[in-house]
Amino acid sequence: EAGVAQSPRYKIIEKRQSVAFWCNPISGHATLYWYQQILGQGPKLLIQFQNNGVVDDSQLPKDRFSAERLKGVDSTLKIQPAKLEDSAVYLCASSFPRGVYQETQYFGPGTRLLVL
Amino acid sequence: TQLLEQSPQFLSIQEGENLTVYCNSSSVFSSLQWYRQEPGEGPVLLVTVVTGGEVKKLKRLTFQFGDARKDSSLHITAAQPGDTGLYLCAGAAESNYQLIWGAGTKLIIKP
Repeated sequence: EAGVAQSPRYKIIEKRQSVAFWCNPISGHATLYWYQQILGQGPKLLIQFQNNGVVDDSQLPKDRFSAERLKGVDSTLKIQPAKLEDSAVYLCASSFPRGVYQETQYFGPGTRLLVL
Repeated sequence: TQLLEQSPQFLSIQEGENLTVYCNSSSVFSSLQWYRQEPGEGPVLLVTVVTGGEVKKLKRLTFQFGDARKDSSLHITAAQPGDTGLYLCAGAAESNYQLIWGAGTKLIIKP
């Protein structure tokens, strides 16, 4: 079974530029998550999709971050304009709800973003 | 706001030693998960504990959920270099089952 795919793996941009990340979840997984992981910290949920609807985007900085999941499969996360503090690893995860409290999230390898 | 505190933040020990890492909160969770993250990769689920007092074993790793479902521990027996990584705990909030993540314990096992 193929895992969660993310691209690009690395990205270096200058502040105020824009950047986009792509995620392809495991086939059949209805739920997709985008996390931000700053060095030395645990993952921080940015947005959660259930199929192509948003379940939770309360921690997404909506003035500069946007995400979409067209057709309920692939997803893109965009930052425009980027700030220095956006330097982090952006992780995508997907899950197939079995029982809500025993849901297993499968993570992709992440995209490492460096904003200069 | 629910918080999960992990301790220690960093641990470096010799191969063959035993260790315990902790995950603590003042909040009750419906379940708690432990993940391991290796450099350049995403976290991988190790175990989910659901019942207060539950103990699960995964080879040399022993996971325990506190009786009150507010804390958890991970004990590794005879640590090996392959155990090196970032260990993250994540608790599912009782209200909406959203995962609350700890900051992780970075573990290095020296040969």
